[in-house]
Amino acid sequence: DTGVSQDPRHKITKRGQNVTFRCDPISEHNRLYWYRQTLGQGPEFLTYFQNEAQLEKSRLLSDRFSAERPKGSFSTLEIQRTEQGDSAMYLCASSPWARVAYEQYFGPGTRLTVT
Amino acid sequence: AQRVTQPEKLLSVFKGAPVELKCNYSYSGSPELFWYVQYSRQRLQLLLRHISRESIKGFTADLNKGETSFHLKKPFAQEEDSAMYYCALESHTGTASKLTFGTGTRLQVTL
Repeated sequence: DTGVSQDPRHKITKRGQNVTFRCDPISEHNRLYWYRQTLGQGPEFLTYFQNEAQLEKSRLLSDRFSAERPKGSFSTLEIQRTEQGDSAMYLCASSPWARVAYEQYFGPGTRLTVT
Repeated sequence: AQRVTQPEKLLSVFKGAPVELKCNYSYSGSPELFWYVQYSRQRLQLLLRHISRESIKGFTADLNKGETSFHLKKPFAQEEDSAMYYCALESHTGTASKLTFGTGTRLQVTL
């Protein structure tokens, strides 16, 4: 499968624990995005990487959230001291560089449940 | 700030009936608009983008800047069109870009 992959697909954790998610984009794509989706809502932008550089972060991304993309390949999203409000689907997407209006390819998502 | 509004959470139509999924946007720049679709147990995928002016699976969408709308239309609904549809707006800050999604409309096509 040459699509975007995410691991794990599901994560159940207790409040206060740290969690880390991984995203492997399509290999030739240099743009990588993280989104969060809660029930009844569309995906909400969290952060954007161009190669290894994190170029934009949403205000939704509190200090407890950190994302990295070492070497411009896979990316990780870490949530520290999880709260029940962090329960959501976390989506990763990638796209090749283009001026505008290029398709983003989405992964299957990681569903986080904080108990 | 940019915003995308999809006023209907659920649209139920009969097979063969016309479909119109509404999308309105708010953006100060030049809008780049998309429709993404999510079929049951599948990942989110692009349906169409306004810049391409294409028809995919019989769906079309016209950007109306005067009404700030990008409604998705299909003349005859099929059962396989049942899915969740999201309208999305691409915005740019320097070299960064992101999508702002609406809340989505579930299309249910019944016999």
